[in-house]
Amino acid sequence: DQQVKQNSPSLSVQEGRISILNCDYTNSMFDYFLWYKKYPAEGPTFLISISSIKDKNEDGRFTVFLNKSAKHLSLHIVPSQPGDSAVYFCAASAQGGSEKLVFGKGTKLTVNP
Amino acid sequence: DAGVIQSPRHEVTEMGQEVTLRCKPISGHNSLFWYRQTMMRGLELLIYFNNNVPIDDSGMPEDRFSAKMPNASFSTLKIQPSEPRDSAVYFCASSLRQAGTGELFFGEGSRLTVL
Repeated sequence: DQQVKQNSPSLSVQEGRISILNCDYTNSMFDYFLWYKKYPAEGPTFLISISSIKDKNEDGRFTVFLNKSAKHLSLHIVPSQPGDSAVYFCAASAQGGSEKLVFGKGTKLTVNP
Repeated sequence: DAGVIQSPRHEVTEMGQEVTLRCKPISGHNSLFWYRQTMMRGLELLIYFNNNVPIDDSGMPEDRFSAKMPNASFSTLKIQPSEPRDSAVYFCASSLRQAGTGELFFGEGSRLTVL
C-alpha cells in the first residue's frame, strides 16, 4: 500500500519551459513534505520542503505547492535547465519532518536543450 | 566536509553468501537510516536508529536482514543468507534529529547483485 504516489514515471520538457512534477499521498497524518533530486550513481539530495501549515514554498527556480484537501503536492521548476535532468522523489513525514520519511517511486525528468 | 560514506560501492555475490554493507554517518548527526531502492518498490525504509538505538525496524524484510550501530560513527547492514531478490541499491542516510527539517543526507549507495 503506497502512501506516497508519483504516478508519472517520466517527464520530458524543453529547456526554458516549466516542469511540473506531481505527487499524491494517502496518509492524512503526514505534515511535512520534501522533494529530493537524484542523479545516476549518486544518493538523493534534498531540494525543497514544505510544512502542512503552508500551501507554497519557493526557492529560486523551484516552488512546491501543497493542496491538503486534495492530498496533492507539486514541484514547479521554472525555467527548466538541462542540469535539472534527474529523478525526483517526493517524500512525506508524519512527525513534523524529524524522522521517518516515506518516499514515492520517483519521476525521471529529462530537460532537452 | 565529508558526507555519508558507504562501502562497498558495488558488491556481487552468490546466493547463500553473507553480505555486509557499511556506513559512516556525518559527524554530529544522531539519526541514521538504511533505505533500499528497487525498480518495483522505489525507496523503502528498512530501519532507522536514533542515538545508536534502533527505533523502527518494521521495514526489514525478514530475519535474514540485520542492522547494528555499535557507535555514533558506524553502522552495518547484514544479509545472511543472501538471495537474488535482495539485489538492489542500499542507501544509508543520516540527519540531525533536532533540526526537525526532515532533511536526510544520503550516501552514494551500495549496489548489491546476488547471483
